This record gives sequence, C-alpha cells and structure tokens, in this order.
Amino acid sequence: SQTIHQWPATLVQPVGSPLSLECTVEGTSNPNLYWYRQAAGRGLQLLFYSVGIGQISSEVPQNLSASRPQDRQFILSSKKLLLSDSGFYLCAWSERVDYGYTFGSGTRLTVV
Amino acid sequence: AQSVTQPDIHITVSEGASLELRCNYSYGATPYLFWYVQSPGQGLQLLLKYFSGDTLVQGIKGFEAEFKRSQSSFNLRKPSVHWSDAAEYFCAVATGTASKLTFGTGTRLQVTL
Repeated sequence: SQTIHQWPATLVQPVGSPLSLECTVEGTSNPNLYWYRQAAGRGLQLLFYSVGIGQISSEVPQNLSASRPQDRQFILSSKKLLLSDSGFYLCAWSERVDYGYTFGSGTRLTVV
Repeated sequence: AQSVTQPDIHITVSEGASLELRCNYSYGATPYLFWYVQSPGQGLQLLLKYFSGDTLVQGIKGFEAEFKRSQSSFNLRKPSVHWSDAAEYFCAVATGTASKLTFGTGTRLQVTL
C-alpha cells in the first residue's frame, strides 16, 4: 500500500535561517506531489505542485521554493525564513486528481 | 477558474443531533468534489468523493454528501453526530483539466455533550 512520510513534525527556526522540509511517498511511481500551507484560522493555500521529476509549478510567489530530486521525493526550502512563513505545512500526493489527495501528517513551523 | 465556498466558519451541534455542512462550488461543468476532515494538528483525511453516477455518496465514519447540480452544492451530512466528529471539515473541487484541488476555507465543528 502507499504511504506518505513528512518530517519533521515540528520545527522552531529563527528569522533569517534556512529551511528544508522533506516529503517522500512509498508504494507508487510518478505521483503528483503537492505542498500546502495552512496559516492559523485559515484554509489551505497551495504553494507548489509537481507532476514529474524536475517539474515544479509555483502557485504563490514568495520566499519559498520546491524541488523534486527523485520521483517520490518532494522538498520545500527557503534560504531565509520570515516571520510570515510560520504555519502548518502539508505535503500530499495523488495518482490522479479525481482520486483525491492523500496527505502527510504535516509540519508545524514556527519562525521566531 | 473553479472556486469553493463554505459559508459556515464554525458550527456547534449537540452529540446525537444531525449535521449538515454546506459547500458551494463554481465551475461550468461537473467537477470532481471531495470532503476532507482534519483533526487538530493532523493532516487531512478523505471522507468521500463524487465525480459521476449516484448523486448521493456514502463515505467513511457514517458521513454522506449529496451533489445538487442545480444549486452547485455538495453538502455533507451525518444523521447523528458523535463527540469524536469534532474537527475541521474542508470541501474541495477539481476539474479534469487541472492537476490540483481547490479547497474551501473550512468549517470548524464543535460537538457539545
């Protein structure tokens, strides 16, 4: 069966520090991969999605970037964190969009 | 572009009472529709989905949803709510031409004992 792993679960980082969040999927090949951010009291904002290795689509211009170095690995990065980057980050995968997404357990990022 | 509206930010119901969470979408053709649930500090779990066929779909945990094309709605229902249903619920829509879901802003459900 397919599983999705996302880590770390929580992270406290100072302003200006770099960021790397990792997401991996097991049990499938060539999945669509997604990064969402959920700010406190708000809905889900799509940040990036990828339909294949090296193919990244950005939805919101901002301080973050994403990469897909391997078929089932999706990385969210920042060179210098801002206070506004705080939030709950969710990775998700899908085989086809009409199948829906399967979400990871999320990373709570607090920038101090 | 497709969009999703969940008009209720917060709903409180008593345990054992019935529940209906509203969802309206905007899209010209029949979209793919989903309901997800999120417990505090957790990821989202798929409750049910609709893309064709019977307009009343059954999901996990006793939930169901009805697709009404004339009202552009996909409301989530449960006949009898349990305290463990307290969570945030998200409606989402996708179209066949896109590889992504658009989520509503969510409805937070509180269950009183």
